[in-house]
Amino acid sequence: GAGVSQSPRYKVAKRGQDVALRCDPISGHVSLFWYQQALGQGPEFLTYFQNEAQLDKSGLPSDRFFAERPEGSVSTLKIQRTQQEDSAVYLCASAKLPKASGANVLTFGAGSRLTVL
Amino acid sequence: QKEVEQNSGPLSVPEGAIASLNCTYSDRVSQSFFWYRQYSGKSPELIMSIYSNGDKEDGRFTAQLNKASQYVSLLIRDSQPSDSATYLCAVKTRGSQGNLIFGKGTKLSVKP
Repeated sequence: GAGVSQSPRYKVAKRGQDVALRCDPISGHVSLFWYQQALGQGPEFLTYFQNEAQLDKSGLPSDRFFAERPEGSVSTLKIQRTQQEDSAVYLCASAKLPKASGANVLTFGAGSRLTVL
Repeated sequence: QKEVEQNSGPLSVPEGAIASLNCTYSDRVSQSFFWYRQYSGKSPELIMSIYSNGDKEDGRFTAQLNKASQYVSLLIRDSQPSDSATYLCAVKTRGSQGNLIFGKGTKLSVKP
């Protein structure tokens, strides 16, 4: 596609519910990142995929967070047993090159705004 | 100390003035530096990238990098009300395993 597409744009969940957020990166992009952006803060790194391999999940805040990219394109971020502190915008970004490349440029999707009541 | 620090602002400048946005980073071995603009409720979009010391100009935007002082800045000349947004500084640091680390952002308001 022309850009990074994320769905749903808005999600309201009751505390304890599971949610799944989808990211469709730019076609052919090797790298895919998930970031979490709380209100008034900069994006915080969650996890990184190079094609289908999840090479870095050091930013996932707890084992309730799980991400996958099984065929190296679309990715899903799943949050189990949501808590109020999970309320944030979840941004997906893709890049043409592997993340180690200094010139790698990230293109962000519009984000999924999660509100946990 | 956060790895990437920015003054959260708000920074208010009159239309036509120069807006100066500053960012410091803690990892001396950082290689790549980026400025993203984020309008309220929208996703970050890349404005400038800079990799070596000195100035890099693109239209009304100039990025300045000083690795010795661990400082990167963004100048916006002839500021327009449409430049009003949050500007995010992002750094690729050695400690982040190649991930981009973002500052909190500086909110810029350009008054007509």
